[in-house]
Amino acid sequence: QVQLQESGPGLVKPSQTLSLTCTVSGGSINSADYYWSWIRQHPGKGLEWIGYMYYSGATYYNPSLRSRAMISLDTSKNQFSLKLKSVTAADTAVYFCARGLVVVRVIDVWGQGTTVTVSS
Amino acid sequence: DIQMTQSPSSLSASAGDRVTITCRASQNIDSYLHWFQQKPGRAPKLLIYSTSRLQSEVPSRFSGSGSGTDFTLTISDLQPEDFATYYCQQTYTVPRTFGQGTKVEIK
Repeated sequence: QVQLQESGPGLVKPSQTLSLTCTVSGGSINSADYYWSWIRQHPGKGLEWIGYMYYSGATYYNPSLRSRAMISLDTSKNQFSLKLKSVTAADTAVYFCARGLVVVRVIDVWGQGTTVTVSS
Repeated sequence: DIQMTQSPSSLSASAGDRVTITCRASQNIDSYLHWFQQKPGRAPKLLIYSTSRLQSEVPSRFSGSGSGTDFTLTISDLQPEDFATYYCQQTYTVPRTFGQGTKVEIK
């Protein structure tokens, strides 16, 4: 059974770049059947879609992030990553990585989430 | 962006009740509407995809219906483990927006 696990710094300074990695186990990211997503949840709030990447390399991002986000795949490590530039306190959130099924366009597997705090 | 509006934002119910949550899209999303359950401190869990398809291993007391812009999630015979927050999400287009959530609490 596929599992996803986020990793990365829990504390990032304002104006710096937030970098998170999602390690996929029990399945390969090297598949056209899936897309690889990031979603975040601000403290006590709802879910915000950040973006996703297909195996083909095509990426889609939430315009609200104003081009600060970048998702990439590392097939050699079976990982995918999120970089979010120029962070502010408003980027403090729990970040989830997730797998989506291409055929029905739905996220079916989530990582447990990792908390990132932006503070000096 | 397509706006997803859930109602109610919260509700109180008792075990054994039938609960209905509504999700309305600001424009047509075909059947690309999905429902997730989230418990405190946990990742969301897929319940229903493509409006009405039950995800594997999800109890049959969960059901979904709708089309176009109006969708519902129904929980029949509410169980103690169903007290959680429920989110709808559209994947018709990007950005793939979520509803604001409906918290189901114990009466």
